[in-house]
Amino acid sequence: DIQMTQSPSSLSASVGDRVIITCQASQDIGNYLSWYQQKPGQGPKLLIYDASNLETGVPSRFSGSGSGTHFTFTITNLQPEDFATYYCQHYNNLPYTFGQGTELEI
Amino acid sequence: DVQLVESGGGLVQPGGSLRLSCEASGFTLSRYSMNWVRQTPGKGLEWVSYISSRSSARYYADSVKGRFTISRDNAKNSLYLQMNSLRAEDTAVFYCVRERGGEEDFWSGYAFDSWGQGALVIVSS
Repeated sequence: DIQMTQSPSSLSASVGDRVIITCQASQDIGNYLSWYQQKPGQGPKLLIYDASNLETGVPSRFSGSGSGTHFTFTITNLQPEDFATYYCQHYNNLPYTFGQGTELEI
Repeated sequence: DVQLVESGGGLVQPGGSLRLSCEASGFTLSRYSMNWVRQTPGKGLEWVSYISSRSSARYYADSVKGRFTISRDNAKNSLYLQMNSLRAEDTAVFYCVRERGGEEDFWSGYAFDSWGQGALVIVSS
């Protein structure tokens, strides 16, 4: 199975800040990586697919980059509604696996 | 709007069975591959099972293989997960999840673009 190592596990930031989350895959996954946002009591929401493509309707302050084994997820100009938990996930093969999550706190 | 609504969760004793259902609306189910994903506070998000658009391909996590069965009825716009021989470690919120593609009826990985609100399954005596 491919292991997804996400860091940091938690992050404190302020409105207007830029934050970066990284995800490392244990083997080459090409660009088969997605990023999700989850708020309490809700299912995750897709933000980025194929490593760098913004899902329809997602604000442009969210972005992703990387390929192979190293990926980054960036939020610029943090907004109050962005405080949530973020996960990476690969879909290069089965089983799909997720990172451990990054809790973004005010 | 795309909607996925899970039902069938609840409290069950170890060794028991439960069947989760997921009603899909707002899109043509037969054009998409589907999954079940579960979440626990301790283990985070864990993929459970995959089914291709017309059920030709089905895959399971090792942790549930031989105990869980995924199925779908495209005519009824529904996805199912039959869970047998349940264990305490199966306690989780189970999500019905759509992939961004999958009309081809064989595995070809896509990101998960729609999630249900989740169904809580508690396995305890």
